[in-house]
Amino acid sequence: SQTIHQWPATLVQPVGSPLSLECTVEGTSNPNLYWYRQAAGRGLQLLFYSVGIGQISSEVPQNLSASRPQDRQFILSSKKLLLSDSGFYLCAWSVAERGGGEQFFGPGTRLTVL
Amino acid sequence: KQEVTQIPAALSVPEGENLVLNCSFTDSAIYNLQWFRQDPGKGLTSLLLIQSSQREQTSGRLNASLDKSSGRSTLYIAASQPGDSATYLCAVYTGGFKTIFGAGTRLFVKA
Repeated sequence: SQTIHQWPATLVQPVGSPLSLECTVEGTSNPNLYWYRQAAGRGLQLLFYSVGIGQISSEVPQNLSASRPQDRQFILSSKKLLLSDSGFYLCAWSVAERGGGEQFFGPGTRLTVL
Repeated sequence: KQEVTQIPAALSVPEGENLVLNCSFTDSAIYNLQWFRQDPGKGLTSLLLIQSSQREQTSGRLNASLDKSSGRSTLYIAASQPGDSATYLCAVYTGGFKTIFGAGTRLFVKA
C-alpha cells in the first residue's frame, strides 16, 4: 500500500531564516506530487506540482520554491521566510496516468514564522 | 474562474441523525469531484471520488452524489456517530493539474 510522509510535523522559524520541508511517498512509482498551503478557515491553495524528477510547475508567485531530486521525494524551500509564509503545508500525490486522479495527502507541516 | 462553496460552514447534530453536506461549483466543466475528511491539525483523508460521468459513489455509511449540470454535489452520512466529527472538504478537478477546494463544513456530532 502507498504511504506519504512529511517532516517536520511542526516548525517555528524566525523571519528571514531558510526553510526546507520534505515529503516522501512509498509504494508507488512516478507519482504526480503536489504542495498545498492551507490558511485558517480557507480552502487549500496549490503552490507547486511535479510530474517527474526535476519537473516543477509553480501556480502562484511567492517566496517559496520546490524541487524533486528523486522520483518519490518532493521538497519545499525558502531562502528567507516571511511572516505571510505561516500556514499548514500539505503534500499530496496522485497516479501519474492522468492529472485528475484521486489525490492522497500527507499529515502536513504546521509552520509558524515569528 | 471556478469557485467551490460549501454550505453550511458548521453543523452540529445529535448522534444517530442522517445528514447532508452540500458542495456547489460555478463551472460544470469538471473532470471529477473528491470528498475529503480532515481532523484538527491533520492531513486530508480521501473519502470518495466521483468521476464526471458518474452520478454517485458509496462507501459504507457515506454516499456522494454529483449533478454536474447544476454544479452540485452532496455527501450523505447515515447514522452519524461522534467519530464522524471533523471538517469535510470537497474539491473539483478542472484539468491542468488544478484542483479547487471548498473551505469545508465543520461537523460536530453530539453523543
